[in-house]
Amino acid sequence: AQSVTQLDSHVSVSEGTPVLLRCNYSSSYSPSLFWYVQHPNKGLQLLLKYTSAATLVKGINGFEAEFKKSETSFHLTKPSAHMSDAAEYFCVVSDRWGFGNEKLTFGTGTRLTIIP
Amino acid sequence: DSGVTQTPKHLITATGQRVTLRCSPRSGDLSVYWYQQSLDQGLQFLIQYYNGEERAKGNILERFSAQQFPDLHSELNLSSLELGDSALYFCASSVEAGGPGNTIYFGEGSWLTVV
Repeated sequence: AQSVTQLDSHVSVSEGTPVLLRCNYSSSYSPSLFWYVQHPNKGLQLLLKYTSAATLVKGINGFEAEFKKSETSFHLTKPSAHMSDAAEYFCVVSDRWGFGNEKLTFGTGTRLTIIP
Repeated sequence: DSGVTQTPKHLITATGQRVTLRCSPRSGDLSVYWYQQSLDQGLQFLIQYYNGEERAKGNILERFSAQQFPDLHSELNLSSLELGDSALYFCASSVEAGGPGNTIYFGEGSWLTVV
């Protein structure tokens, strides 16, 4: 089974400074990886996804993530944090058997706090 | 707004009772998924349907059941409810059943509180 480990349960950054949310994955084959964000009392929104194309993936709201196979990492970054980025972020790996089904395995989440 | 609609948004019920959560997928999506988010277990996959057929099963309790109807909406039935079933239940949908091109979109969830 595939899994993801989010290395920080809570990250605090000042507004306007860079954001780094760390994620390591475990997979027996080339994985599909995602970052989802959950704002308070909201659903899960897809930020970006990696599916074995370009290793640097650009997402919405200025976020990007780099797939590094040698380090089994898929860290999420943003050059400049905004107050609206405060939320819970989930690193996710897809388990699938062929094209017949799909199961997402979520990390434990990283709560991002933005300091004014 | 993802286009996935879940009702009800909030539900409070007593132990031992049964509830039904409803989900309407995005227009054109054939796959529906159910996930549970709780404080102790995090986000867990429950079950997937594709065009009315069950495709994958996760950590879904025997007291829980789901189905996808011909109009593609889905219902998650939770019975003999226990305090530990209190959680946020997400429905999600996608066009395909799986594969690299598949993108899964989540609804805003149904908050279930069992008292």
